[in-house]
Amino acid sequence: AQSVTQPDIHITVSEGASLELRCNYSYGATPYLFWYVQSPGQGLQLLLKYFSGDTLVQGIKGFEAEFKRSQSSFNLRKPSVHWSDAAEYFCAVGGPEYGNKLVFGAGTILRVKS
Amino acid sequence: DADVTQTPRNRITKTGKRIMLECSQTKGHDRMYWYRQDPGLGLQLIYYSFDVKDINKGEISDGYSVSRQAQAKFSLSLESAIPNQTALYFCATSALHGGEQFFGPGTRLTVL
Repeated sequence: AQSVTQPDIHITVSEGASLELRCNYSYGATPYLFWYVQSPGQGLQLLLKYFSGDTLVQGIKGFEAEFKRSQSSFNLRKPSVHWSDAAEYFCAVGGPEYGNKLVFGAGTILRVKS
Repeated sequence: DADVTQTPRNRITKTGKRIMLECSQTKGHDRMYWYRQDPGLGLQLIYYSFDVKDINKGEISDGYSVSRQAQAKFSLSLESAIPNQTALYFCATSALHGGEQFFGPGTRLTVL
């Protein structure tokens, strides 16, 4: 079955430290890749997306992600975390190989300590 | 104004009751989706519709039904609610094949 793995359920980082959230997908030669963020009590907001081209993509709020086809990964990074980044982050994969639907990972909850 | 709206935002109901959750969008998108979110499980697709005459089951459609009344409206019904349908429900829309989806604010449903 098509799946998306986010191996870290919770991550805690200090404010100002760097962040990397991991995401691996199980299937697809040309996946469409997404990172969404969900703040408490809110809906999902798109941080960034990759369809094709440059494998390093920039998103909102200072986030970036890198697509590595050889590792089937699309990890999210931020060089310096702010307290307002505390939220839950979801990786998703879509495209024609996924029936034009999105498959979501289980999410990673980010805690930021001061 | 929000592009994707959901009503109600919160609902508490009893086992066996019929419940309808509504979704409206002003984005002009053809594609609409219903998901449920449970802690630790991410978002699971319940139903999706690629246009007004198209309805498809998702991963977890049992116990749910949908109606696509117009391009802008997509409703989710629980015919006879049960406690394990207590969850956060999201509606989403998209314009492209498998592309970016835009989410509503969610409906928190509690079934007692």
